[in-house]
Formats: sequence, structure tokens, C-alpha cells
Amino acid sequence: EAQVTQNPRYLITVTGKKLTVTCSQNMNHEYMSWYRQDPGLGLRQIYYSMNVEVTDKGDVPEGYKVSRKEKRNFPLILESPSPNQTSLYFCASSFTGGSEKLFFGSGTQLSVL
Amino acid sequence: GQSLEQPSEVTAVEGAIVQINCTYQTSGFYGLSWYQQHDGGAPTFLSYNALDGLEETGRFSSFLSRSDSYGYLLLQELQMKDSASYFCAVRDDKIIFGKGTRLHILP
Repeated sequence: EAQVTQNPRYLITVTGKKLTVTCSQNMNHEYMSWYRQDPGLGLRQIYYSMNVEVTDKGDVPEGYKVSRKEKRNFPLILESPSPNQTSLYFCASSFTGGSEKLFFGSGTQLSVL
Repeated sequence: GQSLEQPSEVTAVEGAIVQINCTYQTSGFYGLSWYQQHDGGAPTFLSYNALDGLEETGRFSSFLSRSDSYGYLLLQELQMKDSASYFCAVRDDKIIFGKGTRLHILP
């Protein structure tokens, strides 16, 4: 089944404790992206990747890191999480950066205490 | 800067027709997309317009006017299951989403 898989689904952590949210797609998509969703603010892009080893900042990249060493994986890393990073996170992918259809993972609800 | 504007909430009656508007301001433009998101779920793709005009997919239609930087999503024969949030999105170098429109459907 074609899908974008995110893990974990829920995560509670404390300020400053490094964490990684994994994202994997099995559709051979070139484009992958991370969004955070907060009430009233919609989906804001954190980072995106047009292909392996190519990443670019979105609108809210501060406090986040990403890597794209393999085509299928695009992990989101929070080196030192802070409470303002408490949010719902979505990974998404599409065939190319120009494709109109994004496939989303099921989301990760992160709480930073 | 880049921005997309859409109403925060819309209410309609079951069986009726509702239109959700989206205006955008971006430095570049490849097309306008629409996504649906139910509470607790992930956004799912509904439609895409790269050229002016109307695209129809079942009960849902989407319209684009590039000269007006404007588009809309039209939902016909509304059903209770259509209660959700709807997002417009444009691609410049990156894909940007509006803040979403919450659709409430009354029986």
C-alpha cells in the first residue's frame, strides 16, 4: 500500500532533550516536506527536500533540522526542543516538487514540557 | 511576501451548495490545490487547478482565475461527512497552505 509513515504518533518530552520524528514513504517520491499545524495558523512549512541530499528552509525552520540521505526517508530533528515547538507535525511527499498532489503521513502530536 | 486568504468558517445546510474562496499573493505560481482535513486526521488531496477554469470531480469542483489570483472550491449536495476543514495551497518554490476554512453542516 502506498503510504507515508510517521513515527511516533504521540510524543511527550521535556525541554532540551533531543528527539527525532521519522518519516518514510514507499512511493519513490522525490519531494518531501515537514509541516507543523497550530490552531488558527494552518499548515506552516518547516523544511522541504526536492531530492536526495537537497534540503531547503520553509517558513518556520528555526529550532529544526532535517536530512535526506536516502530518497525514502526524511527525519525531522529537534536538537533542543522548547515548549513553543509543541504542535502537530505532518510529513508529506509528492512525486516531484511540481506535483500538485501531496500525500500526508498520519501526524505526530508533540508536547514539550 | 506570500499569503493565502480564505474564510475561517463557513456554515451550510445538508443537501445545499457551498463555495469556499481563496485569494493568493505569491511571487511565483504554478497552481492552486485544495485539501480536506477531518478532525484528528491528516490532510487529503481534493483537486488542483493549473489553468483558468473549472475542474469537476464528483460533488466537488474547483475554479481558478490566474488574472484575479483567486480560486474557489465548490461542494454540492452537501453531506454530514463533508464537515471538515478545507485548505487551499499554492506552489511557488515551496508549497504554501492557507489557514483553512472550517465547514459546519447543519442537518
